[in-house]
Amino acid sequence: GESVGLHLPTLSVQEGDNSIINCAYSNSASDYFIWYKQESGKGPQFIIDIRSNMDKRQGQRVTVLLNKTVKHLSLQIAATQPGDSAVYFCAGFLNGGYNKLIFGAGTRLAVHP
Amino acid sequence: DGGITQSPKYLFRKEGQNVTLSCEQNLNHDAMYWYRQDPGQGLRLIYYSQIVNDFQKGDIAEGYSVSREKKESFPLTVTSAQKNPTAFYLCASTLGTGGQPQHFGDGTRLSIL
Repeated sequence: GESVGLHLPTLSVQEGDNSIINCAYSNSASDYFIWYKQESGKGPQFIIDIRSNMDKRQGQRVTVLLNKTVKHLSLQIAATQPGDSAVYFCAGFLNGGYNKLIFGAGTRLAVHP
Repeated sequence: DGGITQSPKYLFRKEGQNVTLSCEQNLNHDAMYWYRQDPGQGLRLIYYSQIVNDFQKGDIAEGYSVSREKKESFPLTVTSAQKNPTAFYLCASTLGTGGQPQHFGDGTRLSIL
């Protein structure tokens, strides 16, 4: 079946280091992916998105890479700060439809001083 | 400021009772969604609505009902038929239905008394 999944449930980094959060998706076709950040007790917050006609997209301190060959995407956070501590989800619209956004289980990012 | 407002933030349900979770948006978004989040897991789609007076079941619609009488409102009722209702419920909306990021409210946490 269709799926979007993250590789690691928890990632610990030192403040100031770069963080890389990975995500893989199933064989179903997709042309749009989104990364969300969720802090405790709050709803997911949009970070960045990428469409399948792109390999890379950059935002403020964040970069998303999409490798369609191996069906993998990653979120890179530069100079990780304590405020980046949260659960990060990748999500994708699979099978070409835009009604159903499939979420991975999330990676908890812990930033240590 | 535009946004999505969910209320109440915390809700308690007695056995055999129906409860209704409120979701209101002033973003003029066309589509609205309800998700359920269990601890350590991603979001699962309950119901969605692309237009007023129309809605479709998601992956886990059993025991839930919705209505979309107004564009800005999409209430979710958790019925007594939902035997495991304890979860974090998230409402989202999106402009149009052609692959746009979904924007989320801050959720309602439902517990059983």
